Amino acid sequence: SAVISQKPSRDICQRGTSLTIQCQVDSQVTMMFWYRQQPGQSLTLIATANQGSEATYESGFVIDKFPISRPNLTFSTLTVSNMSPEDSSIYLCAGQTHYGYTFGSGTRLTVV
Amino acid sequence: QKEVEQNSGPLSVPEGAIASLNCTYSDRGSQSFFWYRQYSGKSPELIMFIYSNGDKEDGRFTAQLNKASQYVSLLIRDSQPSDSATYLCAFSPGGSQGNLIFGKGTKLSVKP
Repeated sequence: SAVISQKPSRDICQRGTSLTIQCQVDSQVTMMFWYRQQPGQSLTLIATANQGSEATYESGFVIDKFPISRPNLTFSTLTVSNMSPEDSSIYLCAGQTHYGYTFGSGTRLTVV
Repeated sequence: QKEVEQNSGPLSVPEGAIASLNCTYSDRGSQSFFWYRQYSGKSPELIMFIYSNGDKEDGRFTAQLNKASQYVSLLIRDSQPSDSATYLCAFSPGGSQGNLIFGKGTKLSVKP
C-alpha cells in the first residue's frame, strides 16, 4: 500500500503566524484528504484535495484559513493561517487507496 | 448529519480473550466500512474493510456487517497486550468523494 511522508512532525508556533504542512506519497493517489484530531477525539475532515481543482471544504472550514494545494497526484500541502491557540491539534493527511485510506504520520501543532 | 456511534470504553479484556467492538452508522447509503487501529501518539492504521453483509475474517480479526441494522463490529480473537489501542470505526457516505466519517473510537486495554 502507499506510504505517506508528512512533515513537520511537530511544531510550536506563535499566534498570528502560518504553518504549511506537506505530504508526499510514494505512489499516485487520486484523492487526498486532510483531517484534524483534537486530543482524545476522533478525526474531523477539513477538506478533500483533488489534483487540478480547488479543494472541497467541510462545514466549519474555509479556504482562507486552511488553504490547500494539490499540484500533482503525489503531493499536497495544508496551510494553517493566522493561527490561534484553538488551532492546536494534530493534523493528518490521508491518501485514498483501493483498500481504504493510508495516513501520514501526523503533525502535532501547538500555538502559543 | 452523517454519524458513527461507538462506545468510547475503555474496554478491558484479559489476554487470550475475545474483544468485541461495535459501532452503528447513520447513512443507509453507505457501502464501505473500515476499522482502524490507533496507538497513542500515532496515526491510524487500517485493520480491515468490509463491503458486504456477513463476516470477513483476517487472521485474529473478524469484521461483521449488518446493513439492515446499520451495525458493524470487530472481533479480536486471542487478544494480546499489543492489541491495546483505540479502534476507530469509519464509513464512506453514499455519494461522497470517498471521504470517511470516523467514530470517536473505542479504547481497548488487554491485560496480561
